[in-house]
Amino acid sequence: TQLLEQSPQFLSIQEGENLTVYCNSSSVFSSLQWYRQEPGEGPVLLVTVVTGGEVKKLKRLTFQFGDARKDSSLHITAAQPGDTGLYLCALLRGGFKTIFGAGTRLFVKA
Amino acid sequence: SAVISQKPSRDICQRGTSLTIQCQVDSQVTMMFWYRQQPGQSLTLIATANQGSEATYESGFVIDKFPISRPNLTFSTLTVSNMSPEDSSIYLCSARQVGESTDTQYFGPGTRLTVL
Repeated sequence: TQLLEQSPQFLSIQEGENLTVYCNSSSVFSSLQWYRQEPGEGPVLLVTVVTGGEVKKLKRLTFQFGDARKDSSLHITAAQPGDTGLYLCALLRGGFKTIFGAGTRLFVKA
Repeated sequence: SAVISQKPSRDICQRGTSLTIQCQVDSQVTMMFWYRQQPGQSLTLIATANQGSEATYESGFVIDKFPISRPNLTFSTLTVSNMSPEDSSIYLCSARQVGESTDTQYFGPGTRLTVL
């Protein structure tokens, strides 16, 4: 059983559309991270959220941590082909081991 | 920040053989890790590479199959032993830098392994 459940698993949209990716768990976390991985590269950290209800923005990306700190969402406004990639939520186990969710594979068509 | 390089970037191997993957970080890091990413899937942590001592393996991974070395603060190797086609995967090295006000994890580009 995956500790972090992500949905949807795959998303194919047209350039300019908005989308939301979800990360859910039955456990409460002290913090949660979002990464993006492009083909042929390793994951790159986008953001860390630590406070329940926290909202962080990174250009067209908006990240939210649930009030109960058991879920998170990533919203992309006006998606562009450069947003194509694998989006992973992750948590720190034991304070130092990064454990990833199953990921959402996004494809943005021009 | 830290830049991680891996060698080889890809390889095709015969079953029953072993491959050693090298990971070099351009600066001293606190911790190093090895992950596996099977085609179309997420990353699974194999082990934490400990400097000067045996690696700490996650459930489902054992030292005989995936021996790991970390002789210093910037270098680690992962060996995939007695390979089978099920070992075909991308293997990624990762490093964590912990400072007074920062805690960031970096990933290498991965080594794509195909076992025939």
